Amino acid sequence: QVHLEQSGTEVKKPGASVKLSCKASGYTFSTHAMHWVRQAPGQGLEWMGWINCGNGDLQYPQKFQGRVTISRDTSTDTVYMELSGLRSEDTAVYYCARNILGGTTDYWGQGTQVTVSS
Amino acid sequence: EIVLTQSPATLSLSPGERATLSCRASQSVSNFLAWYQQKPGQAPRLLIYDAFNRATGIPARFSGSGSGTDFTLTISSLEPEDSAVYYCQQRANWPLTFGGGTKVEIK
Repeated sequence: QVHLEQSGTEVKKPGASVKLSCKASGYTFSTHAMHWVRQAPGQGLEWMGWINCGNGDLQYPQKFQGRVTISRDTSTDTVYMELSGLRSEDTAVYYCARNILGGTTDYWGQGTQVTVSS
Repeated sequence: EIVLTQSPATLSLSPGERATLSCRASQSVSNFLAWYQQKPGQAPRLLIYDAFNRATGIPARFSGSGSGTDFTLTISSLEPEDSAVYYCQQRANWPLTFGGGTKVEIK
């Protein structure tokens, strides 16, 4: 069965970076891209980018260009998302989600809480 | 980017009633629209993809319709476990965008 296991809670100071992980299991890793989506407290969902887990192709929305780096390790079936220049507005739950159909997601990780506070 | 506007913000209905949720796109997304359900403390769950296709394991009381700019998610007969926030999401254009959500409360 498909499972996405995300890394644990992070607390960071403003200006720092954070790198989150998402380990996939239960399917062939290279056959599905992976998205990252975040949700600020009490807010909606915001797409942060995706990676083709087969060839490594990437796409980020303009809002996060230069601040987000998504990568993958095919030897461990893990996707990473690094966010730099953290500010309080980056406090959110961050999810990885498996892609189907070029932009629809079927399985999601449990989420990682990131808190940015001085 | 495509803006998705969901209405109403909150829907309060009794078990067994029909719920009708709306999602309007700022420009045509063809039928490239999905619906997700999110319960407190949980990740979103895919309900409907490409406007009207139910995802695996989703009960038949959930149905989607629409194309272009206007879409509807219908829950034909509400169950207590349907209490959640529902989001629409488009994949017609990058960046992917989500609507602001409709909260469904069960009286």
